[in-house]
Amino acid sequence: GENVEQHPSTLSVQEGDSAVIKCTYSDSASNYFPWYKQELGKRPQLIIDIRSNVGEKKDQRIAVTLNKTAKHFSLHITETQPEDSAVYFCAASNGGSQGNLIFGKGTKLSVKP
Amino acid sequence: NAGVTQTPKFRILKIGQSMTLQCTQDMNHNYMYWYRQDPGMGLKLIYYSVGAGITDKGEVPNGYNVSRSTTEDFPLRLELAAPSQTSVYFCASKTGTDTQYFGPGTRLTVL
Repeated sequence: GENVEQHPSTLSVQEGDSAVIKCTYSDSASNYFPWYKQELGKRPQLIIDIRSNVGEKKDQRIAVTLNKTAKHFSLHITETQPEDSAVYFCAASNGGSQGNLIFGKGTKLSVKP
Repeated sequence: NAGVTQTPKFRILKIGQSMTLQCTQDMNHNYMYWYRQDPGMGLKLIYYSVGAGITDKGEVPNGYNVSRSTTEDFPLRLELAAPSQTSVYFCASKTGTDTQYFGPGTRLTVL
């Protein structure tokens, strides 16, 4: 079955710097890759997603890149702000009738003012 | 729309007790999911349902049961609570698109 590895497990940056979180997946059939942000004590919330027919997607300060050949995808946050501090999860899905997501273990991002 | 709602928010159980975690969505989503989240870990799929009357096991189904008698509701049952089931439980739902929307979670402690 699918396996998703996420690195790093913790990341500390200065406000205004960029942050990059990387994930690799094992199932070449996976075709949907969402990123969720989870603040302490809250539910995971989708911040951006990408499908396998696209190499890059951007939404203001957040971008995701996908390399299908290497089976990895990355989250890029530019001009980080203290409110970006949270745990970020990547996930992969092979779509189909269930579209079950397999999650990485998460990255705790701390943005220092 | 309230989205995905879960009750209770918190619960403490004794070993061997049983309980049902409730999940309801008002978005007419066909697909519903139960995850557990342990500290420092990602979310693990317990059970899922692709529509009323249809359920299937996820990665970690042991110790749990589900039912889906309506489109809106997807309760998760713990029959004999064990300390290993101490976790935060999230319910999620989606339509035919891939975006899953999560409920607020239930924090369960088994002592």
